[in-house]
Amino acid sequence: GQNIDQPTEMTATEGAIVQINCTYQTSGFNGLFWYQQHAGEAPTFLSYNVLDGLEEKGRFSSFLSRSKGYSYLLLKELQMKDSASYLCAVRGPGGYQKVTFGTGTKLQVIP
Amino acid sequence: DTEVTQTPKHLVMGMTNKKSLKCEQHMGHRAMYWYKQKAKKPPELMFVYSYEKLSINESVPSRFSPECPNSSLLNLHLHALQPEDSALYLCASSQDSNEQFFGPGTRLTVL
Repeated sequence: GQNIDQPTEMTATEGAIVQINCTYQTSGFNGLFWYQQHAGEAPTFLSYNVLDGLEEKGRFSSFLSRSKGYSYLLLKELQMKDSASYLCAVRGPGGYQKVTFGTGTKLQVIP
Repeated sequence: DTEVTQTPKHLVMGMTNKKSLKCEQHMGHRAMYWYKQKAKKPPELMFVYSYEKLSINESVPSRFSPECPNSSLLNLHLHALQPEDSALYLCASSQDSNEQFFGPGTRLTVL
């Protein structure tokens, strides 16, 4: 099975930087995704890590350490529209299509 | 066309009704997914179709019946549902091992 942990809620200030952590335990690891989900909407893809290190994409970066079972999503220059839930999702054993989502971190950006 | 569409957006049904949810994508993706998402919870995988064949069934009750008529369409047939089945039903598609693209979902209420 898989166990994925994220903080439930975070609050950060507009213009600041926030780091959302994700730890996971899985019997077989084949990649980690980060998705953003605004309330009442579908998740949208942010990033994908399969090798150790940092992936940067504009204001968003994601880091992975496979040996530590740890990832984080870094959001820079926060904007009010970044208020959303951020879901860490792990691709484990069972085929590339089987992705398990963490419980998500609800981020509130305040002025 | 880079989107996944779902109909209807909202559905209210009684426990004795039969209804269907529909999902369509024209991105040429060969994998399509059904997820169930309860409020403040992450999406939970229900079914995966790969190349129009059912490849994953996450022990979903038989009152949910998936169907993949062709590579662009995915249906979820509903029969004799329970009130606890009320949730947001998300369809997604992906190309091989890449990220999943989600549709906007169908919000289902079972009375």
